[in-house]
Amino acid sequence: QKEVEQDPGPLSVPEGAIVSLNCTYSNSAFQYFMWYRQYSRKGPELLMYTYSSGNKEDGRFTAQVDKSSKYISLFIRDSQPSDSATYLCAMRGGSNYKLTFGKGTLLTVNP
Amino acid sequence: GAGVSQSPSNKVTEKGKDVELRCDPISGHTALYWYRQSLGQGLEFLIYFQGNSAPDKSGLPSDRFSAERTGGSVSTLTIQRTQQEDSAVYLCASSQGQAIGSGANVLTFGAGSRLTVL
Repeated sequence: QKEVEQDPGPLSVPEGAIVSLNCTYSNSAFQYFMWYRQYSRKGPELLMYTYSSGNKEDGRFTAQVDKSSKYISLFIRDSQPSDSATYLCAMRGGSNYKLTFGKGTLLTVNP
Repeated sequence: GAGVSQSPSNKVTEKGKDVELRCDPISGHTALYWYRQSLGQGLEFLIYFQGNSAPDKSGLPSDRFSAERTGGSVSTLTIQRTQQEDSAVYLCASSQGQAIGSGANVLTFGAGSRLTVL
């Protein structure tokens, strides 16, 4: 079992839809949870991060962490074609600098 | 610089040849990472540099891979005797390096060097 599991998709939704992306993990030492967005032929860019359990909202994006279930989610409201990208979850322990990434989910938002 | 710069952006080489990939991190960032992204795979950690400390090389897949960081800034990833399975995008990232236990330790990635081994 890989440390971080993420459904690679692809996921295709109409513009304006609510998108739900998620990852599961097995390492209970993970404390910092991040979502990166990667456009084609570009490097990943940090979208959101959350420490420990809870929710965090930033505009149309909401990140949720449930440590008891080892499950994290990213919700995108009112999705736009510009949201079309690969979304990668990443996480690390509190005393570890190494980020462990999921495989990424390819999202397409159709106008 | 304004961002992490990587060169070359694309490299096509023949099996058995050596390649060098270069990374210019953000000025002032003390931590530098190399990751590899293969088709359909997530980012795979390769190596980590932090200041003057010994690098963490635990992710390097074989002794054909090596990396240096000169003067605490520019880094070069070298792959000797390339194999077809080395084909991937090699991503460099840098951060302020105050990593442990202090927030997200935001990594800023370059656009990557796409390596194709024929």
